[in-house]
Amino acid sequence: GNSVTQMEGPVTLSEEAFLTINCTYTATGYPSLFWYVQYPGEGLQLLLKATKADDKGSNKGFEATYRKETTSFHLEKGSVQVSDSAVYFCALKRSGGYQKVTFGIGTKLQVIP
Amino acid sequence: DSGVTQTPKHLITATGQRVTLRCSPRSGDLSVYWYQQSLDQGLQFLIQYYNGEERAKGNILERFSAQQFPDLHSELNLSSLELGDSALYFCASSAATGPNTEAFFGQGTRLTVV
Repeated sequence: GNSVTQMEGPVTLSEEAFLTINCTYTATGYPSLFWYVQYPGEGLQLLLKATKADDKGSNKGFEATYRKETTSFHLEKGSVQVSDSAVYFCALKRSGGYQKVTFGIGTKLQVIP
Repeated sequence: DSGVTQTPKHLITATGQRVTLRCSPRSGDLSVYWYQQSLDQGLQFLIQYYNGEERAKGNILERFSAQQFPDLHSELNLSSLELGDSALYFCASSAATGPNTEAFFGQGTRLTVV
């Protein structure tokens, strides 16, 4: 079956540091890949996505590249801010409205001033 | 605003009771998913409905049940509640077709069992 493995947190960084959160996946076919973010007290929001190999998703300074050869979708940001403190979830979904979304366990990021 | 509405936002109830959580998906979305998020378990997939029919089942307890109605809203029923059922319950919805059928999440219902 489908699965997503992401690094366990928490990750603590100083403001303006470089961020990488690793995510690898196992899936049949060619899923779409997503990063969701959950700010304290809120629901999950889609941060970025990529729907095919070598696609790069980007939003709010975050980037992730769909690497089929390494089955990875690592999240990166060049310079984190305190406001980026949140829980980040990697996820995959095969195309088709009836397919379910499979999530990783979530990685908590804390950015300190 | 994701377009997914969950009610109520907060719910406090006693052990042994039964509650119903409600979800209205985004307009036109046929798929509805329910997730449970607790501190020690992360985000657990419970169940998915597609156009009124159960499509996928995850780690859903027998005390829990769900359904999706003809107008596509969904309800999650939790019965014989235990302290360990205290958690955030999220509903999400996604579109029917196309490659970009990502899930959109509601704000969640925080259930506290006392």
